[in-house]
Amino acid sequence: KAGVTQTPRYLIKTRGQQVTLSCSPISGHRSVSWYQQTPGQGLQFLFEYFSETQRNKGNFPGRFSGRQFSNSRSEMNVSTLELGDSALYLCASSQIPTGTYNEQFFGPGTRLTVL
Amino acid sequence: DQQVKQNSPSLSVQEGRISILNCDYTNSMFDYFLWYKKYPAEGPTFLISISSIKDKNEDGRFTVFLNKSAKHLSLHIVPSQPGDSAVYFCAATPRAGGTSYGKLTFGQGTILTVHP
Repeated sequence: KAGVTQTPRYLIKTRGQQVTLSCSPISGHRSVSWYQQTPGQGLQFLFEYFSETQRNKGNFPGRFSGRQFSNSRSEMNVSTLELGDSALYLCASSQIPTGTYNEQFFGPGTRLTVL
Repeated sequence: DQQVKQNSPSLSVQEGRISILNCDYTNSMFDYFLWYKKYPAEGPTFLISISSIKDKNEDGRFTVFLNKSAKHLSLHIVPSQPGDSAVYFCAATPRAGGTSYGKLTFGQGTILTVHP
């Protein structure tokens, strides 16, 4: 079974631009979560999507948005990029069986550098 | 507000010895705890987990201990191997079915170096 894939793996943008990152979950997984990893803040939860609906959202400004498609693939978008948005963006997928916690499987991440 | 804290940024141990990584949390709603391991240029990989109804879970060389009264958990690796060198993150999540279900709150990570 293929793992979580993220594209692109590396991205360089300039301040003020916008960026879209893509995540394909493991086949059969319907939940996709996004995290931002920075040296100072560690891994921080951005949002989670399940069945094309955003279920949870972290404490990030509205410049960060996402969506999920009917095939469970997800995209996240960051508009008006700032230098502080430079980070590793990680996507994780999981199944949602009733009543139990699901392990989240992470992709390799997209390294975004904002100049 | 750092709800999950790993107060040791780094840990260095000798091959064959025990590695103990610590994690503290403040949110009493956390019900399930996980440890992830991360190599450079890769995403975190699930290592071991523990539910709040247990105080210990063991998987091979890895054991996680949970002390709910102290809101503290630890990961023991015995014996430590050079291939264990990585960043270790503890994470927590509330009870399944709650509105925050699925959201992992991570600690800052501890860099473990195991010397041959």
